Amino acid sequence: DGGITQSPKYLFRKEGQNVTLSCEQNLNHDAMYWYRQDPGQGLRLIYYSQIVNDFQKGDIAEGYSVSREKKESFPLTVTSAQKNPTAFYLCASRDSSYEQYFGPGTRLTVT
Amino acid sequence: GEDVEQSLFLSVREGDSSVINCTYTDSSSTYLYWYKQEPGAGLQLLTYIFSNMDMKQDQRLTVLLNKKDKHLSLRIADTQTGDSAIYFCAEYGARTGNQFYFGTGTSLTVIP
Repeated sequence: DGGITQSPKYLFRKEGQNVTLSCEQNLNHDAMYWYRQDPGQGLRLIYYSQIVNDFQKGDIAEGYSVSREKKESFPLTVTSAQKNPTAFYLCASRDSSYEQYFGPGTRLTVT
Repeated sequence: GEDVEQSLFLSVREGDSSVINCTYTDSSSTYLYWYKQEPGAGLQLLTYIFSNMDMKQDQRLTVLLNKKDKHLSLRIADTQTGDSAIYFCAEYGARTGNQFYFGTGTSLTVIP
């Protein structure tokens, strides 16, 4: 089956710890995206990558970092510098027809 | 960021039609999308329309685009309880660069 996987579905961390969220796709898409979703708000773009070894900041990149060493993988690290990290994180990829597909999401809770 | 606007809530009776509205920001946006999100899940692409089209129909879904007013709507015919979800519109185009901009989402509740 082709698709996007995110793991884990739920993640709990203590304040001050870095945490890495996994995103893998086997759709052979070049472009991948990370979004953050908070209650009552739309999706806000954290980082995106158009191609391997390249990525761009989105609207709310502060406190986050990414890497794109392989086409299939686009992990997101939430650092201790992110002031309000508790949120639902969504990874997506885009095909050449500009259709964007989403993973199931990871709910991160930081206490 | 960009402001793509949607009403927050909509309630309809089962069997009626639902119309979800969206006002987007960039008249040059090339693609306009509708996504569905069920609780605790990712977004599912329902349909999209190119900016050179006025209407697109796909089974129970009809998308209408008014480029002059930058208004996009999604009509769901014969709404079912399984249609209860949050619906997001999104735009993508020259001014947005390689980014998608999403509305705040409309929570649709279908009353049996």
